[in-house]
Amino acid sequence: SQTIHQWPATLVQPVGSPLSLECTVEGTSNPNLYWYRQAAGRGLQLLFYSVGIGQISSEVPQNLSASRPQDRQFILSSKKLLLSDSGFYLCALEGTGRREQYFGPGTRLTVT
Amino acid sequence: SQKIEQNSEALNIQEGKTATLTCNYTNYSPAYLQWYRQDPGRGPVFLLLIRENEKEKRKERLKVTFDTTLKQSLFHITASQPADSATYLCALGDDKIIFGKGTRLHILP
Repeated sequence: SQTIHQWPATLVQPVGSPLSLECTVEGTSNPNLYWYRQAAGRGLQLLFYSVGIGQISSEVPQNLSASRPQDRQFILSSKKLLLSDSGFYLCALEGTGRREQYFGPGTRLTVT
Repeated sequence: SQKIEQNSEALNIQEGKTATLTCNYTNYSPAYLQWYRQDPGRGPVFLLLIRENEKEKRKERLKVTFDTTLKQSLFHITASQPADSATYLCALGDDKIIFGKGTRLHILP
């Protein structure tokens, strides 16, 4: 069965510091992968999605970037964090055929 | 722009009763609609998908309806239990998927 790993689980970073969040998946190959952010009182915001290695589509222009160096690895990065980057970051993969999303455990990021 | 509306207020339902959650949308013609459950501090969990040409879908104690004329979906939990307490998210999809903010449901023992 499919498994999604995210780390770290929680992170506290100062404004202006860099960020790297990692997502890896098991039990599937060539998945469509997604990064979402869920801020307090707001819905899930799609940030990036990837249909394959090196293929990234950005949904929201901001100071975040994503990369997919391997088939089952998806990385979210920032060179300089803003206070507004605080939130719950979720990696997801798309189920085959039915378009459902399977989410990882998430990373809680607090920018201070 | 596309908009999804779910009850912003928490819903309190007595155990054993049917809980009904609403999802309304505008400026969108989705090919399918999904419902997810999210517990505090956890990622959402997929529950049900209903396509635009389907009126109703059931899974155990869950029932979803999809009215493309009213642009509305209703999500029902029958014989509700305290363990059903969570936030429920509605999501609409076509080539992309967009999520509502969710409704918090409390099942009172």
